[in-house]
Amino acid sequence: IVLTQSPGTLSLSPGERATLSCRASQSVSSNYLVWYQQKPGQAPRLLIYGASSRATGIPDRFSGSGSGTDFTLTISRLEPEDFAMYYCQQYGSSPRTFGQGTKLEIK
Amino acid sequence: QVQLQQSGPGLVKPSETLSLTCTVSGYSIIDGYYWGWIRQPPGKGLEWIGSMFHRGSTLYNPSLKSRVSLSIDTSKNQFSLKVTSVTAADTAVYYCGRDRYSYDSGGSPMGNWFDPWGQGTLVTVSS
Repeated sequence: IVLTQSPGTLSLSPGERATLSCRASQSVSSNYLVWYQQKPGQAPRLLIYGASSRATGIPDRFSGSGSGTDFTLTISRLEPEDFAMYYCQQYGSSPRTFGQGTKLEIK
Repeated sequence: QVQLQQSGPGLVKPSETLSLTCTVSGYSIIDGYYWGWIRQPPGKGLEWIGSMFHRGSTLYNPSLKSRVSLSIDTSKNQFSLKVTSVTAADTAVYYCGRDRYSYDSGGSPMGNWFDPWGQGTLVTVSS
């Protein structure tokens, strides 16, 4: 399954709402989709699993939604530490695949 | 707190074997997860390589399966990756991770997501 993330880069200001998209080339079984956050020089961190469940310790300003082929990560009010790369990954079909990422940058 | 610490050379010659080890602390490697590897070529996205259960079951990305070998040493609470016959295309940051798994409709194990990840190791393939 090919995952296409959009936009490639998103420029927003702290306090604004961010909406990141992940579109799959075919339906993702059982909404088996996760989101990761990656900051420069760091490993990815799990944010969302099962399309909409927040991982342990993730603030509630992060939320995931979607089903089938269209998924969304929403950050309700951006904090300075939220500016990073975001990747989606599906695990409904083998091999697991990742999207190419969305860079969330400060405007 | 689960932590994964990677070790291994950062430079490998073409046609040789890349070897990396991931040591787990704060969690027993025999306690109910797969353990896997992911890589990220410079400026590119992430690619799952493969994962292993402590009893020997393995899951591989078909694109790399012929050149990849996974192993686990339960006495040292660590797991390892080998990639043979490397080329410049294998240059990447390699990550290890704890791989949560479930079972598919046929009863076969399937990897889900990685959490947490190791710190990453940049491996450059160059003579």
